Amino acid sequence: SHELTQPPSVSVSPGQTARITCSADALPNQYTYWYQQKPGQAPVLLIYKDTERPSGIPERFSGSSSGTTVTLTISGVQAEDEADYYCQSADSSVTFSVFGGGTKLTVL
Amino acid sequence: QVTLRESGPALVKPTQTLTLTCTFSGFSLSTDGMCVSWIRQPPGKALEWLALVDWDDDKYYSTSLKTRLTISKDTSKNQVVLTMTNMDPVDTATYYCARTSGVVTGDAFDIWGQGTVVTVSS
Repeated sequence: SHELTQPPSVSVSPGQTARITCSADALPNQYTYWYQQKPGQAPVLLIYKDTERPSGIPERFSGSSSGTTVTLTISGVQAEDEADYYCQSADSSVTFSVFGGGTKLTVL
Repeated sequence: QVTLRESGPALVKPTQTLTLTCTFSGFSLSTDGMCVSWIRQPPGKALEWLALVDWDDDKYYSTSLKTRLTISKDTSKNQVVLTMTNMDPVDTATYYCARTSGVVTGDAFDIWGQGTVVTVSS
């Protein structure tokens, strides 16, 4: 089965850069997507197709891909960025979609 | 404006069947590329994709849960229904429905409902 691995937690100080990785156990045949979820709220799409940002998402959020690892980068982290972040990818050969285990971003 | 809203029972007993309804507006599930998925999140845990129905009425299920899940759509009512049989306390979670619009954002869940909390307990 297709699995996505994320670090459980990442901590940064305000203004610094946070990088959250998502590693796939399979060949990189599918795009990856990123979501932000704040406590008690539904997830919000941050990045689609590895690197694209939906309208309304601040430019400090960016995505990149290299081999079987994709990275969400948050530049100039703000206190409001403290949240859980999930990567997601599709695997049409087995099932439609899979999520990573999530990363809790703490802003110190 | 695209919105989705989940509805269903807040409490079900073990072994019972759960039926959840996603009522949406602002798009048509008969438009090419449109899909609606169900996704759940147990308390304090990660998101788990469950099932998807697309504009062509093709259906996809989580491999681990497919024997218990049925997804269907009623395009005229703008609704998608998920049934999950043989409920167990481990199925306690917030259940979300979410849209995939395909053309621009690919397989992303670009709009989510607010979620509905389901507790499985006797």
